[in-house]
Amino acid sequence: QQQVKQSPQSLIVQKGGISIINCAYENTAFDYFPWYQQFPGKGPALLIAIRPDVSEKKEGRFTISFNKSAKQFSLHIMDSQPGDSATYFCAAGGTGTYKYIFGTGTRLKVLA
Amino acid sequence: GAVVSQHPSRVICKSGTSVKIECRSLDFQATTMFWYRQFPKKSLMLMATSNEGSKATYEQGVEKDKFLINHASLTLSTLTVTSAHPEDSSFYICSATGPWQENVETQYFGPGTRLLVL
Repeated sequence: QQQVKQSPQSLIVQKGGISIINCAYENTAFDYFPWYQQFPGKGPALLIAIRPDVSEKKEGRFTISFNKSAKQFSLHIMDSQPGDSATYFCAAGGTGTYKYIFGTGTRLKVLA
Repeated sequence: GAVVSQHPSRVICKSGTSVKIECRSLDFQATTMFWYRQFPKKSLMLMATSNEGSKATYEQGVEKDKFLINHASLTLSTLTVTSAHPEDSSFYICSATGPWQENVETQYFGPGTRLLVL
């Protein structure tokens, strides 16, 4: 009930392409779903987050799609750039708790 | 933007010694700080929640006597790994809840501390 499954584990995309990372959660009580970006040797940084009352949220080249009935959400990175190469974590939790269950991470490499 | 720092960034110690890691919110007051552990190429595992002026709340399976947490002020939390052993080697990351922003839960992560126990 507390797992967040993330796929793929690693992803290689050509510059300018679309990177898609998927996550699935189990606990229907979760109502806050952030995505974090982590560079090697650094702490994660919040990229974008969504709540279940919307099905999509876009910020610049980053879009979250949310499917409440399927308990799935995904991150789309449009026009992927080499600087986007990092590990991406999805997470899920209850609003106001700040205690998130993190996915296992996706290592993205964008080829120049 | 809000910045969280950690010190040291790397530490190597001998087995049996204790190591203290500091987590500071530099430009905001953090009522709550969190401590995570991350194994190589793995996800973040929440260890404990630290509230200023009160005892930390530990997640299931985390030994509170081994991982001592002190949150003495609104800008500083410390994690002490007592009697460290090689299996405690890991990347330790703290985070702090930041200033409220509309519709966004602001949790800022520190850069992490790499602990190697020989």
